[in-house]
Amino acid sequence: EIVLTQSPATLSLSPGERATLSCRASQSVSTYLAWYQQKPGQAPRLLIYDASNRATGIPARFSGSGSGTDFTLTISSLEPEDFAVYYCQQRSNWPQTFGQGTKLEIK
Amino acid sequence: QLQLQESGPGLVKPSETLSLTCTVSGGSISSSSYYWGWIRQPPGKGLEWIGNIYYSGSTYYNPSLKSRVTISVDMSKNQFSLQLNSVTAADTAVYYCARDRRPFTETTLSEFDPWGQGSLVTVSS
Repeated sequence: EIVLTQSPATLSLSPGERATLSCRASQSVSTYLAWYQQKPGQAPRLLIYDASNRATGIPARFSGSGSGTDFTLTISSLEPEDFAVYYCQQRSNWPQTFGQGTKLEIK
Repeated sequence: QLQLQESGPGLVKPSETLSLTCTVSGGSISSSSYYWGWIRQPPGKGLEWIGNIYYSGSTYYNPSLKSRVTISVDMSKNQFSLQLNSVTAADTAVYYCARDRRPFTETTLSEFDPWGQGSLVTVSS
């Protein structure tokens, strides 16, 4: 099973700042990596698929990059509604697995 | 617009069977080429894929839960269901149903979209 390690566990930033979240895989997942956003009491929402493609309706301030074992989710300028928990997920090997999450909190 | 909604008991006793149903609206389970699945999230923790099913009955299960999980489909009700037996406190979680984002004709390894709102199941005596 592929293990995804996200860092940092918590990221404290202010609105308007740039956020950089990391996801590292225990073995190569090529570009078969997705990112989700989860707000309290809600289901996860797909943001990015195949490492760098925004899902339908996702604002352009969200971008993803990386391949192999190292991936990054960048939020260019934080809006108040972006403070949430973010998860990465791989679909390279069965079973699909998720990272443990990064909590993005208001500083 | 495709919508999924979980339903079932919120409290299950240890050693008993957890049963949840996901009702799909805005589309038919049997007319699509997608797998439909379950994902869970223990309180304050990350996400774990449980398994999924195609309307024909083909299933995939996470090896970590395979011995205790059964997923089934009822096309007449446009529903699919999860049964997890011999539960313990470690099975306490929010259980989500979700559809694979990619059709099985492309791959059986997919992202998940859309999701249901989730159903909290607590295992306690």
